[in-house]
Amino acid sequence: AQSVSQHNHHVILSEAASLELGCNYSYGGTVNLFWYVQYPGQHLQLLLKYFSGDPLVKGIKGFEAEFIKSKFSFNLRKPSVQWSDTAEYFCAVTLSGTYKYIFGTGTRLKVLA
Amino acid sequence: EAQVTQNPRYLITVTGKKLTVTCSQNMNHEYMSWYRQDPGLGLRQIYYSMNVEVTDKGDVPEGYKVSRKEKRNFPLILESPSPNQTSLYFCASSSADRAYGYTFGSGTRLTVV
Repeated sequence: AQSVSQHNHHVILSEAASLELGCNYSYGGTVNLFWYVQYPGQHLQLLLKYFSGDPLVKGIKGFEAEFIKSKFSFNLRKPSVQWSDTAEYFCAVTLSGTYKYIFGTGTRLKVLA
Repeated sequence: EAQVTQNPRYLITVTGKKLTVTCSQNMNHEYMSWYRQDPGLGLRQIYYSMNVEVTDKGDVPEGYKVSRKEKRNFPLILESPSPNQTSLYFCASSSADRAYGYTFGSGTRLTVV
């Protein structure tokens, strides 16, 4: 069955540290990839997305992600995190030719001031 | 303002008492979906709808019903709620091609006692 894996469940960083959150999916066909952020007590908001073209995509708030097709991965990065980045981050995949929209289990990021 | 409106935000109910959570979007989106969010499990899709009168089961449909009589509305119905349906529920909508990702509602925190 198709799935999305986020291996880091909890990440704690100090301010100004670099961030990389892993996301891997299992599906052999064409995919569209998304990262969402959920701040405490709020709903999910779109950070960035990849549909086609340049595999390095830039999103809001200084986040970027790289699609590596051979590794079925779409890792999220930020060079220097801030306290306000404390949130839960979800990777999601839509499968071409289906109406499936699959989310990973999320990574809770805590940034220490 | 483009938005997805869910009501109520909080609900405490007793086992077996039918309830409806409403969801409405003002973006003329074709695709709408319901998710439940539980700690450690991420977001799991309950039902989705590709357009008016077209719905399909997601990964965890048991105990839930939906209807899509109008394009803007997609209510979630729990005919006989049970304590294992205590969760945080999100409604989301997107265009048919999902090019801009989901727009999420603010969530409904349901407690079934």
